[in-house]
Amino acid sequence: EVQLVESGGGLVRPGGSLRLSCAASGISFTDAWMAWVRQAPGKGLEWVGRIKSKTDGGTADYAVPAKGRFTISRDDSKTTLYLQMNSLETEDTAMYYCTSWGYIYGFLNWGQGALVTVSS
Amino acid sequence: QTVVTQEPSFSVSPGGTVTLTCGLSSGSVSTTFYPSWYQQTPGQAPRTLIYNTNTRSSGVPDRFSGSILGNKAALTITGAQADDESDYYCALFVGGGISVFGGGTKLTVL
Repeated sequence: EVQLVESGGGLVRPGGSLRLSCAASGISFTDAWMAWVRQAPGKGLEWVGRIKSKTDGGTADYAVPAKGRFTISRDDSKTTLYLQMNSLETEDTAMYYCTSWGYIYGFLNWGQGALVTVSS
Repeated sequence: QTVVTQEPSFSVSPGGTVTLTCGLSSGSVSTTFYPSWYQQTPGQAPRTLIYNTNTRSSGVPDRFSGSILGNKAALTITGAQADDESDYYCALFVGGGISVFGGGTKLTVL
C-alpha cells in the first residue's frame, strides 16, 4: 500500500520560511516523479510544482506563484520529498498535499496533507 | 496563462447520469493533455478517479468513466449514488512541465 505522510506544517509569519516533508512508502520512490498540490481554505486544488526522478534528471518545475520562492527537493535514501517555502505570503495559506505524478498516471497517490497558515 | 474550465456546480438525481466537463479557455482538450479526474469530499484528501483520459484508478467503480467529448474531457457518472456527492476536479498536463487543475465542480445528488 502506498503511503505518503506530510509533516512540517504550522503557523508562520509573513515573510517567514517553512519546510514541508513527505515520507513515502510502498512506492518505488527512486523512480517516482513527485509533486506538491495545495488547496487554500474553501478553494480548489492548485498545482505547486513537481520534481523528476534523479534518473530522469531530478529537475523541478514550478507554478508561477511558487517560482523563485519555493524549492522542491528529494532525498531518495530517505524516500522523502521536501518543499522549502521562503518569503511566505498570506495567500500561501493552504493545505499542502504530496502526490506522486506521471504523464499517464496524473496525480495518482495522495498524502493527507499538511496545513500551512501564514498570518501575523 | 492556461485556464482550465469546469462547471461550478451540477446536480443529479439518485440513479441518474451526469457528465462533467473539463475545457480550456483557449483551444481544445485532447488525449495529449492526459486528462485526469479527482473526487474530494470535505475534510478529505483528493482521490484519483480517472487518469490518462479514461483509465479508472484502482478500486474505482465502473459507474465512473472518462472520455473526450467534442473539445473537452468528460467525466460521466452513471447510476449516481448519494455518496457521489463531492467536489470533482480535472487536471491537464499543458506542457513545459506544467499541470493545471480546473476550478472544480460541486456535484449535488438529490
